[in-house]
Amino acid sequence: QQQVKQSPQSLIVQKGGISIINCAYENTAFDYFPWYQQFPGKGPALLIAIRPDVSEKKEGRFTISFNKSAKQFSLHIMDSQPGDSATYFCAASTKAAGNKLTFGGGTRVLVKP
Amino acid sequence: DGGITQSPKYLFRKEGQNVTLSCEQNLNHDAMYWYRQDPGQGLRLIYYSQIVNDFQKGDIAEGYSVSREKKESFPLTVTSAQKNPTAFYLCASSVQQGDGYTFGSGTRLTVV
Repeated sequence: QQQVKQSPQSLIVQKGGISIINCAYENTAFDYFPWYQQFPGKGPALLIAIRPDVSEKKEGRFTISFNKSAKQFSLHIMDSQPGDSATYFCAASTKAAGNKLTFGGGTRVLVKP
Repeated sequence: DGGITQSPKYLFRKEGQNVTLSCEQNLNHDAMYWYRQDPGQGLRLIYYSQIVNDFQKGDIAEGYSVSREKKESFPLTVTSAQKNPTAFYLCASSVQQGDGYTFGSGTRLTVV
């Protein structure tokens, strides 16, 4: 049973546009929500993360928005660049389950020049 | 530089053969994890270890085995009981059971 649902599966955006990826979770005990970026043939790398005590976190062109009541969180990539073309994964974990990360299915983002 | 090293990068397995994937970290992390990645299915947890000489099954442990004899090392064996082993395998580590995993570069396993 997938506890973290991610959409869309793929996304094409023009250079300079905004990429938006959404995730929904079921387990209300989740207390840590990271996003990972993965390039082909490489391991994922931590991009940005948020905890449920804040509704938004921004790091450079990347912003996480978090809606606790709706059990949803999203990644916004502002001013998207061709170098942002990658697969993005959301994830969630809870201390009660030993902080094991449960991942969404991934979104392949292509930024066209 | 600190990091996680996975080897080999590519691995080919014949039917009925056991193969072992190596994962070594020099980050002094306590917890280590093995994930399997298939197209369109995200990452699924195979096994994880929070301390030396202890490990637990993840969501898809059948057909796999691990050991954690040293803090730095967490090898994964794909046994002949794993009927569909072709996948990209990722090893990760973290401080204190989670929060900001560091991943290796992965091993791509193919059955021939």
